[in-house]
Amino acid sequence: AQKVTQAQTEISVVEKEDVTLDCVYETRDTTYYLFWYKQPPSGELVFLIRRNSFDEQNEISGRYSWNFQKSTSSFNFTITASQVVDSAVYFCALSEGTSNFGNEKLTFGTGTRLTIIP
Amino acid sequence: ETGVTQSPTHLIKTRGQQVTLRCSSQSGHNTVSWYQQALGQGPQFIFQYYREEENGRGNFPPRFSGLQFPNYSSELNVNALELDDSALYLCASSLKGDIQYFGAGTRLSVL
Repeated sequence: AQKVTQAQTEISVVEKEDVTLDCVYETRDTTYYLFWYKQPPSGELVFLIRRNSFDEQNEISGRYSWNFQKSTSSFNFTITASQVVDSAVYFCALSEGTSNFGNEKLTFGTGTRLTIIP
Repeated sequence: ETGVTQSPTHLIKTRGQQVTLRCSSQSGHNTVSWYQQALGQGPQFIFQYYREEENGRGNFPPRFSGLQFPNYSSELNVNALELDDSALYLCASSLKGDIQYFGAGTRLSVL
């Protein structure tokens, strides 16, 4: 069975600080996909990134970066120079690779509420 | 914005009633997935529809049912509402097997 654990329930940092959100996953599949979504107060889940299990290269997108380590089953998310607009709940999710792209059922963690203090 | 729209935004029902939630998928998408998000929790997969047929179901009882229409829009129906059904219901559209893009959800309160 798939499982995603986000041990950090809430994090608060002062604006411009760096912050890392942790994600640990469990799966028996060799092919799987990992995701991060952002949920602002409006409720809509905003897609941030998708990674497949064969691509362990770290990725950087502006102030966002992701560190995927299969050896520790982790897919951590770092925000550099945080801004107030980054305040939201962040979810890590996992899906099995049922097709070339996978991404059928998403299994989500419980989320990390990030508050950026001005 | 994702182009995924859900209606209504908010809904209040009483225990035992039935409810229908609606989702319009993003243009070009053929797959719709529904999730239930209880307060303070992550979304839980209810089911997915692809080309008008159910394509996978989570651990939800049969009183949760759905439909997908030829234009790929979708409905989620819940019969015999229970207090625990109070949650944010999220719809996501995608191309089959591709990234799921979510709407803003319908917040259902069951009294």
